[in-house]
Amino acid sequence: EVQLVESGGDLVQPGGSLRLSCAVSGLTFSDSDMHWIRQPAGKGLEWVSSIGIGGDTYYAGSVKGRFTMSRENAKNSVYLQMNSLRAEDTALYYCARGRNGNDYWGQGTLVTVSS
Amino acid sequence: QSVLTQPPSASGTPGQRVTISCFGSSSNIGGYPVFWYQHFPGTAPKRLIYNNDQRPSGVPDRFSGSKSGTSASLAIRGLRSEDEADYYCATWDDNLRGHVFGTGTKVTVL
Repeated sequence: EVQLVESGGDLVQPGGSLRLSCAVSGLTFSDSDMHWIRQPAGKGLEWVSSIGIGGDTYYAGSVKGRFTMSRENAKNSVYLQMNSLRAEDTALYYCARGRNGNDYWGQGTLVTVSS
Repeated sequence: QSVLTQPPSASGTPGQRVTISCFGSSSNIGGYPVFWYQHFPGTAPKRLIYNNDQRPSGVPDRFSGSKSGTSASLAIRGLRSEDEADYYCATWDDNLRGHVFGTGTKVTVL
């Protein structure tokens, strides 16, 4: 069974930092592109970032320069380091595999940026 | 706002056919495959269609996708109450150098 389990979501003050993790099992992680996608409450899905099997990364303009995505194949995990957090980063963050779109998704982890 | 535009809502009675459109441009839909997702808020989204018109195993054939030029469509045939959800198109955008989701369409079964 394929499982993607996100963790690390929390309440953080504006300007603060947070690191999200996504642990993957049940698929060949090293052959998989991975994505982070978020959904603010009451709004639509927004693609945040992706990382290829070679470590190449892409970011949405709204997070470029503040967020960094990385992967650790030995631990079948991807991470999202989020710095200089803003209120508009408040959202449910999903981890997903990128194969023919996003075929497997986690249940999400909640990030709240508020003072 | 997204570069992929969808109608905010669509509705139909059980058994009817509902079509959701997704309008883009040559830098996204016009040059790349389109994907469609079904989402019940707070849960993991589900991929319904990949590569414009391909259905993953397990997705009912009531769902179908198509693409023409810079727009794409998702059709739901034989609408059921359990189809009441949010639907999103997605693709790659060359100008943004990133993936993009559509604005989303809430389908209501009357």
